[in-house]
Amino acid sequence: GQNIDQPTEMTATEGAIVQINCTYQTSGFNGLFWYQQHAGEAPTFLSYNVLDGLEEKGRFSSFLSRSKGYSYLLLKELQMKDSASYLCATTGGGNKLTFGTGTQLKVEL
Amino acid sequence: DTGVSQNPRHKITKRGQNVTFRCDPISEHNRLYWYRQTLGQGPEFLTYFQNEAQLEKSRLLSDRFSAERPKGSFSTLEIQRTEQGDSAMYLCASSSWRGLGELFFGEGSRLTVL
Repeated sequence: GQNIDQPTEMTATEGAIVQINCTYQTSGFNGLFWYQQHAGEAPTFLSYNVLDGLEEKGRFSSFLSRSKGYSYLLLKELQMKDSASYLCATTGGGNKLTFGTGTQLKVEL
Repeated sequence: DTGVSQNPRHKITKRGQNVTFRCDPISEHNRLYWYRQTLGQGPEFLTYFQNEAQLEKSRLLSDRFSAERPKGSFSTLEIQRTEQGDSAMYLCASSSWRGLGELFFGEGSRLTVL
């Protein structure tokens, strides 16, 4: 089975940097994924890590440590439109993506 | 628009009725997934198709739920004898054989069971 943990809520200030952590336990591993979901909308893919280290994509970066079962999503230069739920997910060793409950990020002025 | 399409977007039904949702994936994607999401939770896996073959089904899925993907194109998800606990957003997603884990989601079908 798979177990994914991430904080329920976070609040940050516009222009700041925020780090959303995710820990996971899986019986196999094909990769760690981050999705963004705005209220009332479908999730959209943000990033993918299969090897240890940092993957940077514009204002968003994602880090993975497979030995620690740990990942984080780093959002820089926060904007109001970044207010959303951020979902950590892993495929384990199979073909389906298992999601965490999501971290609701609120960006304030 | 070449994204994932789902319909109906909203369905209100009475307990005990049957409902069917349809998903049209991105045309070149051979993998299709159904998920269910309730407020404050992440999407919960229901079932997965590769082409027309249903390769995995969640153990949480009761026998009132059935999904098909004839000809490996569109898919339907049917819920028989609906219960109030079935009220949720039903999300469909597709991916290519290369894009394991990179899913493209539809807007979802919201089911309300009265």
